[in-house]
Amino acid sequence: EAGVTQFPSHSVIEKGQTVTLRCDPISGHDNLYWYRRVMGKEIKFLLHFVKESKQDESGMPNNRFLAERTGGTYSTLKVQPAELEDSGVYFCASSLTSSYNEQFFGPGTRLTVL
Amino acid sequence: DQQVKQNSPSLSVQEGRISILNCDYTNSMFDYFLWYKKYPAEGPTFLISISSIKDKNEDGRFTVFLNKSAKHLSLHIVPSQPGDSAVYFCAASAAGAGSYQLTFGKGTKLSVIP
Repeated sequence: EAGVTQFPSHSVIEKGQTVTLRCDPISGHDNLYWYRRVMGKEIKFLLHFVKESKQDESGMPNNRFLAERTGGTYSTLKVQPAELEDSGVYFCASSLTSSYNEQFFGPGTRLTVL
Repeated sequence: DQQVKQNSPSLSVQEGRISILNCDYTNSMFDYFLWYKKYPAEGPTFLISISSIKDKNEDGRFTVFLNKSAKHLSLHIVPSQPGDSAVYFCAASAAGAGSYQLTFGKGTKLSVIP
């Protein structure tokens, strides 16, 4: 069974540009989560989808970040326009159910904004 | 304000001995706790979890202990093996309150010396 996959693995962009990250969850997992780890800090929650609906987006830092999950399968996270402080590793995770269930993480996308 | 704290940034243990990783939390709404293991350039890998209705959960060489009154949990690895060398993250959620996001500690880097 394939795990959570993320694309690209690395992205280097200049301040002001747009970047779109993609996550493919484990097949059959209705729950999809985005997290971010900024250098030297802990992994922080961004948002949670149940199928195509946003269940919790309390961690989204500002309106430069837009997450979508059309059709309830893969998800995209767009940053527009990117700022220097957006640099970090963006992780996607998925789980079968929401409650009392482990989340399986992808390898992450390392974003560098210059 | 960190709600999940891992106060030891690093730990070195001899191969074959016990590794004990500690985690403290402050949010009394947390009722589900997980440990993840992370190698460089990879996403966190789920290890073991425990719900707040239990005080111990065991899976092979890994045992998690939960002390609710002290708001403390620990991960025991016995016996430790060189392949266990990685960063270990403690995470928590308030699933019973409908919040499924994971709150992470900063991690403890475990080095198992052959």
